[in-house]
Amino acid sequence: EVQLVESGGGLVQPGGSLRLSCAASGFTFSEYYMDWVRQAPGEGLEWVGRIRRKVDSYTTEHAASVKGRSTISRDDSNNSLYLQLNSLKTEDTAVYYCSRVRCVTWGCGLDVWGQGTTVTVSS
Amino acid sequence: DIQLTQSPSFLSASVGDRVTITCRASQGISTYLAWYQQKPGKAPKLLIYAASTLQSGVPSRFSGSGSGTELTLTISSLQPEDFATYYCQQLKSYPFTFGPGTKVDIK
Repeated sequence: EVQLVESGGGLVQPGGSLRLSCAASGFTFSEYYMDWVRQAPGEGLEWVGRIRRKVDSYTTEHAASVKGRSTISRDDSNNSLYLQLNSLKTEDTAVYYCSRVRCVTWGCGLDVWGQGTTVTVSS
Repeated sequence: DIQLTQSPSFLSASVGDRVTITCRASQGISTYLAWYQQKPGKAPKLLIYAASTLQSGVPSRFSGSGSGTELTLTISSLQPEDFATYYCQQLKSYPFTFGPGTKVDIK
């Protein structure tokens, strides 16, 4: 079964840091771009960032809201994806999802999602 | 950044109704658009990608069309399990923005 399972969420004080993990199974993880998406309580979806494959030098993209405070990485040998968030703000409070990117020539979509992990930034 | 708007933001419909949701982009995105369904407390589910390609396992009553700046999601005959919030997402250029969502409720 194709599956993504996030972990690492919790309560963090403003200014703190957190590392979220996403464990992949059921597919060849190394072959896929992977994205992070978040959703603040009662709000819509916000794309957070992307990491490409080894053949693309593991390059990353980040949303402006987290750029400079976030690092996306992956460990293909352990089928794992990571999101490091620093200098956390109350507005980073959200459910964080990891997702797999599926592309065809004329477009892409996020076809597999984890169940999400909740990050709460509060003093 | 490419901005997406969705209309309507809320719609009330009955089982069996034909429902159309429109996603408008602030600049052309060709067919680099995906549609998702989200139910409360659950992760989003991919319905359509590349504007009109039905994701495997998604019922054929869902369809997508359009390109450029106006794209649509159509549900041909609304079923009880389709009451949810629907989001579009552009994957043409970074950052990959989502629309604000359309909530489909029971009339």
